[in-house]
Amino acid sequence: DADVTQTPRNRITKTGKRIMLECSQTKGHDRMYWYRQDPGLGLRLIYYSFDVKDINKGEISDGYSVSRQAQAKFSLSLESAIPNQTALYFCATSATETFEPQHFGDGTRLSIL
Amino acid sequence: AQKVTQAQTEISVVEKEDVTLDCVYETRDTTYYLFWYKQPPSGELVFLIRRNSFDEQNEISGRYSWNFQKSTSSFNFTITASQVVDSAVYFCALSEAYNNNDMRFGAGTRLTVKP
Repeated sequence: DADVTQTPRNRITKTGKRIMLECSQTKGHDRMYWYRQDPGLGLRLIYYSFDVKDINKGEISDGYSVSRQAQAKFSLSLESAIPNQTALYFCATSATETFEPQHFGDGTRLSIL
Repeated sequence: AQKVTQAQTEISVVEKEDVTLDCVYETRDTTYYLFWYKQPPSGELVFLIRRNSFDEQNEISGRYSWNFQKSTSSFNFTITASQVVDSAVYFCALSEAYNNNDMRFGAGTRLTVKP
């Protein structure tokens, strides 16, 4: 089983819909992250969380919200999806120690029509 | 703010050729870490290496080697005797000490190794 699991793996939806992407991990890491990947732009950080009560905005948080339901679960929501949010979304985790590598899920490909 | 530039958008080589992927970074911090990740066609991101700003020793791992030069703010990645399985998008990333949770990625370099 994967250490970082993202669901769904693929999603097609319409403009204006509320979408939730889920991430769960079995690595026991405190830190979790959500990124989006766009062609030619690399990965950009949306939100990150140090623990259940600590959530922080990343570089591109507008239009997104998150929920850290437990140490192992971190969900990303698109309140009202728009076409330019079509992207590949990654969840990642890392240990608390400074500068530990991030471990990524397999990604969720989201298409908004 | 930190910035990572991977000027090579796409590189194509023939199997067994050596290839170097460039990474140039900008930071005002004296303590930072640099990373390389590989994204094969299947889409997942695989961690390859981490290097801190105080360790300029080059590193070799099999056919992979990394050249870190603070004088030129570069952290280049060389694949020796490339193989078809090396075909992937490679990302360089930077984390700063005071803001170590905001990892900035370069745009990536797509490497295609032809048989």
